[in-house]
Amino acid sequence: ETGVTQSPTHLIKTRGQQVTLRCSSQSGHNTVSWYQQALGQGPQFIFQYYREEENGRGNFPPRFSGLQFPNYSSELNVNALELDDSALYLCASSLLAGGADTQYFGPGTRLTVL
Amino acid sequence: GNSVTQMEGPVTLSEEAFLTINCTYTATGYPSLFWYVQYPGEGLQLLLKATKADDKGSNKGFEATYRKETTSFHLEKGSVQVSDSAVYFCARRTKTNNNDMRFGAGTRLTVKP
Repeated sequence: ETGVTQSPTHLIKTRGQQVTLRCSSQSGHNTVSWYQQALGQGPQFIFQYYREEENGRGNFPPRFSGLQFPNYSSELNVNALELDDSALYLCASSLLAGGADTQYFGPGTRLTVL
Repeated sequence: GNSVTQMEGPVTLSEEAFLTINCTYTATGYPSLFWYVQYPGEGLQLLLKATKADDKGSNKGFEATYRKETTSFHLEKGSVQVSDSAVYFCARRTKTNNNDMRFGAGTRLTVKP
């Protein structure tokens, strides 16, 4: 069974640029969530996708957007990067979209905005 | 404000000591509650969970009981080991309201031999 994978591992961008981060869900999982984890903080929920539709969103502006593909892989896109966007971005997949289901996390993408 | 508040760290204990990491939450309805662990250099891993009041989650000697009356989910272990050194995150996930998952800020535990 393949776990959750993310790419790239590290990324450096400059303010105002756009970035795309990628995630491959664990086999058989149709739900993916994205989180932002600032240094020394807990992960902050960005949004969740279930069967290619966004079905939940945290307190993040519209410049954070996502996609989920038919094979349940996913992308997180961030436009107009700001310095405060520097963080570890985590992807998590689960079998179901329900609140009791276990989420399996990937290792994350470390984004640095200069 | 944050919906999950957990004990600030860092926490340093000697091997075989008793561990408690406090966690309280706010939520509408009856959320699911989780403890995740992040070992050095690794991603988040689920440690245990509880989905309704009075449920006890347990794994690897760790336990936490879902206390609705005190809105708490404190993590305990009777005898910690050096290998338990990690950052522990308490989290709650609503079953409605967009499946919103909220994490605490994390508690770093260091266990010394």
